[in-house]
Amino acid sequence: EPEVTQTPSHQVTQMGQEVILRCVPISNHLYFYWYRQILGQKVEFLVSFYNNEISEKSEIFDDQFSVERPDGSNFTLKIRSTKLEDSAMYFCASSMTGGGYTFGSGTRLTVV
Amino acid sequence: AQSVTQPDIHITVSEGASLELRCNYSYGATPYLFWYVQSPGQGLQLLLKYFSGDTLVQGIKGFEAEFKRSQSSFNLRKPSVHWSDAAEYFCAVAPGGNYQLIWGAGTKLIIKP
Repeated sequence: EPEVTQTPSHQVTQMGQEVILRCVPISNHLYFYWYRQILGQKVEFLVSFYNNEISEKSEIFDDQFSVERPDGSNFTLKIRSTKLEDSAMYFCASSMTGGGYTFGSGTRLTVV
Repeated sequence: AQSVTQPDIHITVSEGASLELRCNYSYGATPYLFWYVQSPGQGLQLLLKYFSGDTLVQGIKGFEAEFKRSQSSFNLRKPSVHWSDAAEYFCAVAPGGNYQLIWGAGTKLIIKP
């Protein structure tokens, strides 16, 4: 069964550093998403991406965050100048037209 | 504003017993409805989804869910749980396909031997 692949599975970074979280969505999917889950809290939507541009974003997704699809397969989330409160599990997802989201296994980001 | 409520933070059931996890949503129209499962340290696996049609939806691992429009509910059921079902279960809704998912807080399922 096709999978969404996320790398790395765990990233530790110093506060103030930039991190890039990587995702390889399912190849024929057209919509891409990032969600995060702070430990013990709800899963929260960050951003959706379609046709090489952001289609929706939440209040969380401020200027600190950016997304990119640098080639035909990768979908990245960049967090500039990380803060302690950015520590969370970040999930990438993709979907075909009409819904049916498939999630990756997540990247656990720890900011120290 | 749209919201999803999972009223039970934890549920403990004996292995072999039946299970029902509750989910209520607040939304003006019928949204797309989902149940996901997350094992410790793992990703989010789709159990089942409802977009339209038959209100009783079958999913993987023997789970089913029933959409009840009058109660704005989408409860998850399994007739007989197995120890491997111990995990956290999330209900989520979306206003339509390819829109953001809005998530419940999750219900942690504990299985007693």
